[in-house]
Amino acid sequence: GAGVSQSPSNKVTEKGKDVELRCDPISGHTALYWYRQRLGQGLEFLIYFQGNSAPDKSGLPSDRFSAERTGESVSTLTIQRTQQEDSAVYLCASSLGYGTINNEQFFGPGTRLTVL
Amino acid sequence: RKEVEQDPGPFNVPEGATVAFNCTYSNSASQSFFWYRQDCRKEPKLLMSVYSSGNEDGRFTAQLNRASQYISLLIRDSKLSDSATYLCVVTADPGGSYIPTFGRGTSLIVHP
Repeated sequence: GAGVSQSPSNKVTEKGKDVELRCDPISGHTALYWYRQRLGQGLEFLIYFQGNSAPDKSGLPSDRFSAERTGESVSTLTIQRTQQEDSAVYLCASSLGYGTINNEQFFGPGTRLTVL
Repeated sequence: RKEVEQDPGPFNVPEGATVAFNCTYSNSASQSFFWYRQDCRKEPKLLMSVYSSGNEDGRFTAQLNRASQYISLLIRDSKLSDSATYLCVVTADPGGSYIPTFGRGTSLIVHP
C-alpha cells in the first residue's frame, strides 16, 4: 500500500524566499508529525497534528515556520524568509494516533532543502 | 541533560559479532519505546517496539529497564547489512499529546 509521500524531494532556494513543503500521510492515520534533520544530526521535532485537535507547535523554531493540515489528510509546512540555517532534510511521519500501540511512526522520504 | 541519550559511536564490529546499544531517558512518565533504523540519507524506519517484558525479533533483542530508565538493543550475528544508525525513541503522554523524543542515534559499522 501507499506510504507517506513528500514533495518536492529536493528544493534549492535563495535566502529570503518562502518555501512550501508538502506531506501526504498514510490514509487513515490521524496523527502527523514534522521533523527537521540537519546533516549529521538527530531528528528535531517541529509540529504535531492529531485529528481535529489544535496542533502542538512547541517545536517550531521561529515564527517564520508554520504548518497546516486539512482534516486528516495533506499537510504543508511553510518557511518564510528562508535563512541558510534552515537548510536540512524535513521529514514527515504519520501514525494511527493515540495509544501506546498506535504511535508507531511511518516516515516519508523527506524533502532536502538547501538555502543558498 | 538531554531527554534521550545515546552513545553516538561509531561501533565498528566484524561480521558475526554481537553488539549492544543502550539508550537512557530522563522522563519517568515515558510510556512507549522504540528502536528505529536509519540508513545513510534515508528516512528512519521502525526496527522494533520495546515491551516491558523484553522482546526478540530474529537476531534482535530489545529490553526495557524502567527502574534505571534505559532501553537496550542487542544484535547477534551481525551482518554487513546491519550497518546503519540506530535511533532510540521515547514517547511520554503529557496530557494526551504524544510527542516522540528521538535520540541522536548510534552508528554501527559492520565490516567483513
